[in-house]
Amino acid sequence: ETGVTQTPRHLVMGMTNKKSLKCEQHLGHNAMYWYKQSAKKPLELMFVYNFKEQTENNSVPSRFSPECPNSSHLFLHLHTLQPEDSALYLCASSDAGPLRYQPQHFGDGTRLSIL
Amino acid sequence: GENVEQHPSTLSVQEGDSAVIKCTYSDSASNYFPWYKQELGKRPQLIIDIRSNVGEKKDQRIAVTLNKTAKHFSLHITETQPEDSAVYFCAARMKTSYDKVIFGPGTSLSVIP
Repeated sequence: ETGVTQTPRHLVMGMTNKKSLKCEQHLGHNAMYWYKQSAKKPLELMFVYNFKEQTENNSVPSRFSPECPNSSHLFLHLHTLQPEDSALYLCASSDAGPLRYQPQHFGDGTRLSIL
Repeated sequence: GENVEQHPSTLSVQEGDSAVIKCTYSDSASNYFPWYKQELGKRPQLIIDIRSNVGEKKDQRIAVTLNKTAKHFSLHITETQPEDSAVYFCAARMKTSYDKVIFGPGTSLSVIP
């Protein structure tokens, strides 16, 4: 399934670098999500966008800056990250609505390592 | 706040045996409960889901049951196979926040051949 595509798959960066993660969905969904998945920890919801509007910011540090230019694209801009930010970052999308019972579709994730 | 608990955190079964994973949720307004399977190095993928107006749903070797009164839901895998080895996540969606699901911490299932 290639409905949700994330790039890059792997990223190594220093603490002072600036980089961006990209997510694109080809499923016609209206909602997109960023999750952080650390080793042996549950999926942590970071941000939710619904029809390009941010509907959730789960107390994420400002060094993570999301951008959603349209319903098909989602970015996560990274700057001045810390070693504890090393994790797998997963993007997901869904057809979200009050009377819709649809699951989220995940991308393969970006494995981020902070040196 | 919203919370989903999941047990056990790890589970080992012999091939052919059944596996059961249990979850509880805190918000009685939750109305949709998906289950995801994540194989090592791969993305989480939906394996089954259930709505709050249904008590049980089955798809081949996989079944999910829901007890709304107790706020419990469970995943049952019968005749387990080595390829069932993965991390399984339960999740609950609140009725009032329809674009957000709360995930459980996951269960690492190992099926021993």
